Amino acid sequence: ETGVTQTPRHLVMGMTNKKSLKCEQHLGHNAMYWYKQSAKKPLELMFVYSLEERVENNSVPSRFSPECPNSSHLFLHLHTLQPEDSALYLCASSQEGTGKYNEQFFGPGTRLTVL
Amino acid sequence: DQQVKQNSPSLSVQEGRISILNCDYTNSMFDYFLWYKKYPAEGPTFLISISSIKDKNEDGRFTVFLNKSAKHLSLHIVPSQPGDSAVYFCAASYSYQKVTFGTGTKLQVIP
Repeated sequence: ETGVTQTPRHLVMGMTNKKSLKCEQHLGHNAMYWYKQSAKKPLELMFVYSLEERVENNSVPSRFSPECPNSSHLFLHLHTLQPEDSALYLCASSQEGTGKYNEQFFGPGTRLTVL
Repeated sequence: DQQVKQNSPSLSVQEGRISILNCDYTNSMFDYFLWYKKYPAEGPTFLISISSIKDKNEDGRFTVFLNKSAKHLSLHIVPSQPGDSAVYFCAASYSYQKVTFGTGTKLQVIP
C-alpha cells in the first residue's frame, strides 16, 4: 500500500449504530487530519493530530471521537449520528516541523450515509 | 464566515484553450496559498502553491498568480487538456497546520 488509505470507502449506518472509520498513511508523516466535505461546502477541518497528540478540535460534536494510536493510524469513531452528518470524510497526512509549509496528502475518503 | 471563496462553481473550456480559475480570500493573515485537484472517488491532490512573498509561480502548464492588494489568486492552465477535468480547490494557510479550503470549482475541458 502506498500513500494514504481509508476504509471503508462507503458506509451506511443508522442513527443508533456505532461504527469507526480507519485511516492509514504509508508516507512516514507525523501529522494526520480528519476533514468533512458536505455538498456545496468547503472542506471542514475536524481534527488534527501532530506527533500523536490532538492539537486541534474544531468544535466538532462529541458524537465524533478521534483516536490516533500511532503516527501511521487514525480512527474516527462514530456513534448516534444524525442524517446531516452524511458526507465525505477525508483523512490527510503531512510532515510537520521542517520549517516550511508542507502539502497535505489525502486519502480517497469514506462516503458516509446516515439513515 | 467563509474566508476562502470560489465564486464560480463550474467552468467549461475547450481543449487547447486557457482555463482560469479564481479564488478570493478575506483574511489578510494568510501567507501561503495552495491549489488542489480532485477527481471523483479520489481524495484531493496537491497541484501548486505560492507564498505571499511572490506574485507568480509556474509549474509546467499550471501558473498561479497572487494579487495581495486585491486578496485574489488565480490558477491558469495552458493549454487545457481533457484530463484536467476535475474539481479544483483553492486553499490558504497562516500556520503550518491550519489550511482553509474554498468550495471548489468544477472544470470541464471539452475535447
